[in-house]
Amino acid sequence: DTGVSQDPRHKITKRGQNVTFRCDPISEHNRLYWYRQTLGQGPEFLTYFQNEAQLEKSRLLSDRFSAERPKGSFSTLEIQRTEQGDSAMYLCASSPLDGRSTYEQYFGPGTRLTVT
Amino acid sequence: AQTVTQSQPEMSVQEAETVTLSCTYDTSESDYYLFWYKQPPSRQMILVIRQEAYKQQNATENRFSVNFQKAAKSFSLKISDSQLGDAAMYFCAYRRVGNTPLVFGKGTRLSVIA
Repeated sequence: DTGVSQDPRHKITKRGQNVTFRCDPISEHNRLYWYRQTLGQGPEFLTYFQNEAQLEKSRLLSDRFSAERPKGSFSTLEIQRTEQGDSAMYLCASSPLDGRSTYEQYFGPGTRLTVT
Repeated sequence: AQTVTQSQPEMSVQEAETVTLSCTYDTSESDYYLFWYKQPPSRQMILVIRQEAYKQQNATENRFSVNFQKAAKSFSLKISDSQLGDAAMYFCAYRRVGNTPLVFGKGTRLSVIA
């Protein structure tokens, strides 16, 4: 098991362009989470999935953001019409699902987005 | 809404000494989980230690231990025998029961001085 992977690791884009990030969770992890981390801050929750169902979206997730997990495996996060304020590290995490919820979330290395 | 506060943006410790990082949180829940995560420079976040709120005993993992004060809503991390590899950002995090998203504090940057 290679852990949670994210692609690309870095992305530089011009304001107004669309970008898409991919996250591959640890195999057989039911839950997948997206967080955003800006400089000097802790990660903030964006959205999460249980298998292919999107269970919750943060108010941080504006209409320009969309996330999918079509087959309950990998997930994509798309940002349309990027703005400079979207510059951040986008983190993905996954965890198994159990009744007591004792499992930790395993984080990927993140995708650092820079909007110029 | 739950909030997590880390009041120490930066801390430093001499190698082999002990340091304590502070964290307070706010919640109306009676059952929840608390975590300390470590984020080394340019590397991914890893779990250091977890505490279940229904357990009175403080969690311990090798050189890392917590002081969990439920009534005071305080959750501090103690690192003993500090090592150079402990230098990182440390985030305190809260999670409701149900494998729900984490709520993070702003982090404390720990430097270890040789």
